Amino acid sequence: QSALTQPASVSGSPGQSITISCTGTSSDVGGYNYVSWYQQHPGKAPKLMIYDVSNRPSGVSNRFSGSKSGNTASLTISGLQAEDEADYFCSSHTSTSCLVFGTGTKITVL
Amino acid sequence: QVHLVESGGGVVQPGRSLRLSCAASDSTFSPYAMHWVRQAPGKGLEWVALISSDGNSQYYADSVKGRFTISRDNSKSTLYLQIHSLRTEDTAIYYCARGYTSAYNWGQGTLVTVSS
Repeated sequence: QSALTQPASVSGSPGQSITISCTGTSSDVGGYNYVSWYQQHPGKAPKLMIYDVSNRPSGVSNRFSGSKSGNTASLTISGLQAEDEADYFCSSHTSTSCLVFGTGTKITVL
Repeated sequence: QVHLVESGGGVVQPGRSLRLSCAASDSTFSPYAMHWVRQAPGKGLEWVALISSDGNSQYYADSVKGRFTISRDNSKSTLYLQIHSLRTEDTAIYYCARGYTSAYNWGQGTLVTVSS
């Protein structure tokens, strides 16, 4: 149950697009289309932004999109806004019916 | 949308036990699997445990297996986490979340601090 690997930080200017990667193994990310992404602002609970690789829950901006290739999933935020500054975590269902989270990425809007 | 409220956290001495609760406002609690996820201060999210919708199947992270027990009472729309032999490294905010292959809805969390 090793954590999925994410870059520690990513930054971008308002209006730009940024992409966060999430790398796992064939036992989690690569084996299932059950990758999710969460946004967490300081002192707040995480919020689901993407589920099942590329699906957005109701109410989540279409500036957020997800994809997957092999053992790596990605979250892209287009038209970066100040309110997007937060921590982002990925998760994946695993072969042992568990959930594993990524190490987390801090997004900074310059 | 379901509203989840955790309770039961506090300051506890090492070696003691604690039971956390997660109450759901939604009467549709019973059809859904539920997770416990924790977050140590300044750290990332760590999945802790999962229970099936009927309560018959439970899954645990290796780090808590044997000390933590997840359970639920569908008649009360409530999820539980029993923690035994608390360690300082169990200090974290504990969140409950609804879902199976993902954590769709989250509570606000309850803080557990293990300290002598």
